[in-house]
Formats: sequence, structure tokens, C-alpha cells
Amino acid sequence: GQQVMQIPQYQHVQEGEDFTTYCNSSTTLSNIQWYKQRPGGHPVFLIQLVKSGEVKKQKRLTFQFGEAKKNSSLHITATQTTDVGTYFCAPSAGGYQKVTFGIGTKLQVIP
Amino acid sequence: EPEVTQTPSHQVTQMGQEVILRCVPISNHLYFYWYRQILGQKVEFLVSFYNNEISEKSEIFDDQFSVERPDGSNFTLKIRSTKLEDSAMYFCASEGAKNEQFFGPGTRLTVL
Repeated sequence: GQQVMQIPQYQHVQEGEDFTTYCNSSTTLSNIQWYKQRPGGHPVFLIQLVKSGEVKKQKRLTFQFGEAKKNSSLHITATQTTDVGTYFCAPSAGGYQKVTFGIGTKLQVIP
Repeated sequence: EPEVTQTPSHQVTQMGQEVILRCVPISNHLYFYWYRQILGQKVEFLVSFYNNEISEKSEIFDDQFSVERPDGSNFTLKIRSTKLEDSAMYFCASEGAKNEQFFGPGTRLTVL
């Protein structure tokens, strides 16, 4: 399957600060999905990006897909303690395919 | 909102015993998956299932593992003879129309 590198692996931020995690691939991706896993919880689907240069927003979360479809980012504005968890980008080859999880970025928010 | 359910939430078993993990996918979904996550590690794909057949399986999914959809609602993962290294959280997922996967809360399997 397609492999991506996600950075940083860990991030500690003060509550109210912004946070960004980056996902990079050496090959062009068909789609990319983002998931969040709270400590002790299960992965929860956040979004799927399909188009080159796509930007999608969900409240304080902004997702981007690069023009070359080789990278993606998730930006959280003004973090809250509820944002704590591990965020995964996962390349998708299209529908009805396994999700290939990496290590993700573990976000800790300090109140 | 519909959700994937899994039972039991925690299963403790002796090495060599058989376990069956149960999942009820979202009712109108057709593609189902099992993943596992060893404590502190990443989520790993085990198997995908469609139309009563395995679509894809990983190297982890050896002869000790099997999946079944015994009726119209349940989706099960059986481990025939558990090993210590099978201790993990096992997640079931089903796929929606927009290709998003909905994960269940997981079954924590502890093999002693």
C-alpha cells in the first residue's frame, strides 16, 4: 500500500495555541483520509480529501490536500483540551479499501 | 446516529483457547473490516470482508484467524488458538457510502 510520513510524532501545545500536523508521500495519492483517536478510544473518521488543492473546514479544523496530491495537512485553530488525541492521515486508494494507519501525531493540550 | 457495536468490551482468555469477537456493523453497510492495535502501537489491518467473502487479508491474518457473517447482522472474528502476542484491542469497522470507515469501540483481548 501507499506509505506516508506524518510529522511531528508528538506535539504539546498550550490551550488556545494553534496546531498543525503534516502528511507527506513520495507518490501521488488518490485520496487521503484523516482520523482521530482519543486516548483509550477508537479511530473516528474526520474527513476525506479527493481533489488537488482541496481545502475543507470543520469548525476549528482545516484540512488541505496539496496541489500535487502528495501532501496534506490538518490545522487546528485555538486548541482545546477536547482536541487531545492522535491524528492519523491515511492514504486511500478509493472506495472499499483498508485504511493504512501510520503512527500519527499525538497531540497533548496543556490547560 | 447509527454506530458499530462490539462485544465483549474485554475478553480475558488462557493461551491456546479459542475466542470469538463479535461485531454488529451499521445495517446498510456492505464492507466490513477487522483491525487490531497492540498497546502503544499503530492500528493494523487484519482483514476485509464483502459479500460473504474475504476481500483482502494481511500477513497477520494467518490460519488461526477466521471471519464469518453468520446472519444478517453479526460479523465475527475467531482466533482458534490464542497466543500471548494476540493480546491487543480489536476494532471492527464498516464502510459507508462516502468511503468513510466507522469503527466500533473495540474489544480488548488479554491472553494469559
